[in-house]
Amino acid sequence: DTGVSQDPRHKITKRGQNVTFRCDPISEHNRLYWYRQTLGQGPEFLTYFQNEAQLEKSRLLSDRFSAERPKGSFSTLEIQRTEQGDSAMYLCASSLAQTSTDTQYFGPGTRLTVL
Amino acid sequence: AQSVTQLDSQVPVFEEAPVELRCNYSSSVSVYLFWYVQYPNQGLQLLLKYLSGSTLVESINGFEAEFNKSQTSFHLRKPSVHISDTAEYFCAVSWDSGYSTLTFGKGTMLLVSP
Repeated sequence: DTGVSQDPRHKITKRGQNVTFRCDPISEHNRLYWYRQTLGQGPEFLTYFQNEAQLEKSRLLSDRFSAERPKGSFSTLEIQRTEQGDSAMYLCASSLAQTSTDTQYFGPGTRLTVL
Repeated sequence: AQSVTQLDSQVPVFEEAPVELRCNYSSSVSVYLFWYVQYPNQGLQLLLKYLSGSTLVESINGFEAEFNKSQTSFHLRKPSVHISDTAEYFCAVSWDSGYSTLTFGKGTMLLVSP
């Protein structure tokens, strides 16, 4: 299967701890997106990469959040000093940029629970 | 602000009945429209999309959606649902802004019962 993969699928942590999630996009895709989905809501955009460059960040992405995409391949999303409000599903999507709009393919998500 | 509205949080329906899931958006510029489906404990799967051309788009599993520019809507329909269609359905919009960040609605849970 060559779809988008995310690791881990589930993460339980205590408030104040740091966590890091990984996303591996579809191999030829040059765009990578992170979204957050809370219970009863649709996904909300967090940040976006084209190749290794982080081109856009939502105001939802506080300074405790940092994302990287070294070498334009996999990406990591780190949350420092986690808070209970960070509990959510974190979704990664990738796409192949061909025009101003391209179709995003989503991974299975990482469910974060902060105790 | 640009937004996507899915008015129905839940739609209960009997198997083999028709269904319509409503989606409206607010925008004054060109849009691209998507429906994604999310089965329990899984990620989002693309169901169908409208980018340009024919306003009626279809998926491989019998769903269809029609882009109505004057009503700013992109409702999803299926003439006869199956138990396996039980899932959460998300309408999403991207605006012609140079890249394709998606704005999602809150989702509609389709509950199909025998």
